[in-house]
Amino acid sequence: QEKVQQSPESLIVPEGAMSSLNCTFSNSASQSIWWYQQHPGKGPEALISIFSNGNKKEGRLTVYLNRASLHVSLHIRDSQPSDSAVYLCAVSSNTNKVVFGTGTRLQVLP
Amino acid sequence: AQTIHQWPVAEIKAVGSPLSLGCTIKGKSSPNLYWYWQATGGTLQQLFYSITVGQVESVVQLNLSASRPKDDQFILSTEKLLLSHSGFYLCAWSLRDWGSSYEQYFGPGTRLTVL
Repeated sequence: QEKVQQSPESLIVPEGAMSSLNCTFSNSASQSIWWYQQHPGKGPEALISIFSNGNKKEGRLTVYLNRASLHVSLHIRDSQPSDSAVYLCAVSSNTNKVVFGTGTRLQVLP
Repeated sequence: AQTIHQWPVAEIKAVGSPLSLGCTIKGKSSPNLYWYWQATGGTLQQLFYSITVGQVESVVQLNLSASRPKDDQFILSTEKLLLSHSGFYLCAWSLRDWGSSYEQYFGPGTRLTVL
């Protein structure tokens, strides 16, 4: 059973700062890693995904994947108060099973 | 545009009573469908998935069952609710033959309180 851990549990940053979130997973054969954003009382929304070692950039988001260390990170440049939410890391194999991480609660202070 | 609708929005039920939650996807044919459960403050946990009508796979046993009676409909149910069933239930869809590149689209969720 895939295990997905996220850190930190909670992160508070000032507006304009870089937010860095981490995720470790247990299965090096995992196919894809997605990052989702979830606001209170809402369903998660997909932000960005990565499948190959290295990094991927979309707008203010950059994700880094290192399969050897079973680690993926999400970096949000120029963080805004509207970025305040819970961020979930989701890992899947080539089946339809998806394992979500424990989440990081991000608060961006104006 | 695809839309995903869940019903009811919220439920308050007694322990031992039956439950039926529904999910409908419009604007996408033959999607993969998923049920998730999230305890308050807890981790999002996949319960079931379905790749076609009539076929449902269980991921986690929580004394719940799921069915897919139509291509665009996914039902979650149980005959006897437990206190531990309380939480937030989310339905999601993805493109068929979900692989490494397909994201999941989540519905608005149903908040269930078991007393």
